[in-house]
Amino acid sequence: EVQLVQSGAEVKKPGEPLKISCKGSGYSFSSHWIGWVRQMPGKGLEWMGIIYPGDSDTRYSPSFQGQVTISADKSISTTYLQWSSLKASDTAMYYCATLMTGNQWDYWGQGTLVTVSS
Amino acid sequence: QSALTQPASVSGSPGQSITISCTGSSSDVGSYNLVSWYQQHPGKAPKLMVYEGTKRPSAVSNRFSGSKSGNTASLTISGLQAEDEADYYCCSYAGSSTFVFGGGTKLTVL
Repeated sequence: EVQLVQSGAEVKKPGEPLKISCKGSGYSFSSHWIGWVRQMPGKGLEWMGIIYPGDSDTRYSPSFQGQVTISADKSISTTYLQWSSLKASDTAMYYCATLMTGNQWDYWGQGTLVTVSS
Repeated sequence: QSALTQPASVSGSPGQSITISCTGSSSDVGSYNLVSWYQQHPGKAPKLMVYEGTKRPSAVSNRFSGSKSGNTASLTISGLQAEDEADYYCCSYAGSSTFVFGGGTKLTVL
């Protein structure tokens, strides 16, 4: 069974760094694109970027390029989303999801809620 | 990349059919048969309901169907049930390993 398990909720202050994770199991993690999707409170889904863990090839949405860093450690089947300096506007739920069967988000993690507040 | 356009809300009575539209451009919806649809219940992760415009994952009810004409894709739900009440999002591949989501549609089952 394919599973994506994300790290727990975070409460941070503006300016602090953060790295959240998503661990895949039940499939060949290195061989499929996996990405991140943001959902701000009460708002819709936004595609942030994707990574191919096999060679760490990464693509970013223009809206998030330079704002976040996506990485992966294929040895532990985990992808990461990180910020060097959080802003209040980064407060959102963040989902990881796979692109295993093609160009659709077929399996989703449970989400990680990030709250940034002074 | 502009978000795909969906109606903010639709509603229907149990047993009826509803259709949610998703309008993009010739750079995304119009160029690829790669529109997918997601159902999201409050507090839950999204769930894939339709992919490649018209295909359904095996576990998804055949009451859900997709179509496309030009730059507009559509999701039709037939035989509405109370459990269908949720938010629905479309997403299109937009070339060069990029994607764009719609703004979402809230479905209310009256």
